[in-house]
Amino acid sequence: SQQGEEDPQALSIQEGENATMNCSYKTSINNLQWYRQNSGRGLVHLILIRSNEREKHSGRLRVTLDTSKKSSSLLITASRAADTASYFCATASENAGGTSYGKLTFGQGTILTVHP
Amino acid sequence: GAGVSQSPRYKVAKRGQDVALRCDPISGHVSLFWYQQALGQGPEFLTYFQNEAQLDKSGLPSDRFFAERPEGSVSTLKIQRTQQEDSAVYLCASSKRPKNEKLFFGSGTQLSVL
Repeated sequence: SQQGEEDPQALSIQEGENATMNCSYKTSINNLQWYRQNSGRGLVHLILIRSNEREKHSGRLRVTLDTSKKSSSLLITASRAADTASYFCATASENAGGTSYGKLTFGQGTILTVHP
Repeated sequence: GAGVSQSPRYKVAKRGQDVALRCDPISGHVSLFWYQQALGQGPEFLTYFQNEAQLDKSGLPSDRFFAERPEGSVSTLKIQRTQQEDSAVYLCASSKRPKNEKLFFGSGTQLSVL
């Protein structure tokens, strides 16, 4: 079953604009990750934020995490046509007993289209 | 190899046929995951291996699905008596350690059951 929901389901913007995607989840987490998937390809890891972090940056990416609201957002600044892809958030939860092996539960994804 | 390799890239099966999907993880990666991705959906967890041990198979949808990793490297996902609802992309992912960290995904096998 899917962990949560992503919003919006689809986003269409012009090159140079910023894109913001949101993710909500249901259970306590160890970390939250964002992945990108180009059409017909596997997923590529973008960024990981741990449950004790509130914000993280990587290049043009900015991720925030609010564990009290069980939500995260991904901001892509100065978007490019090459950013066109599906973006997924994924959460890693603690197993019973406090151990975890990194199993990820994915959201439904946001389809981002960046027009040149 | 440089990345996670999956074969075949595409598989068409007639309903009732058995199929076998192969995954070659990154060399030295301890953890290996199989996910199923239906069209327009996010990946859903199927099963997890730590080396050769299958530690979690809670996501396998039925006893027609079977996975193995006998020598702790290459893994095979087998689906017996395929049904139309098995049509999906099957993704394999690996990570260096059995801890919370990023996964490296293969390009997947797109299975179509007619």
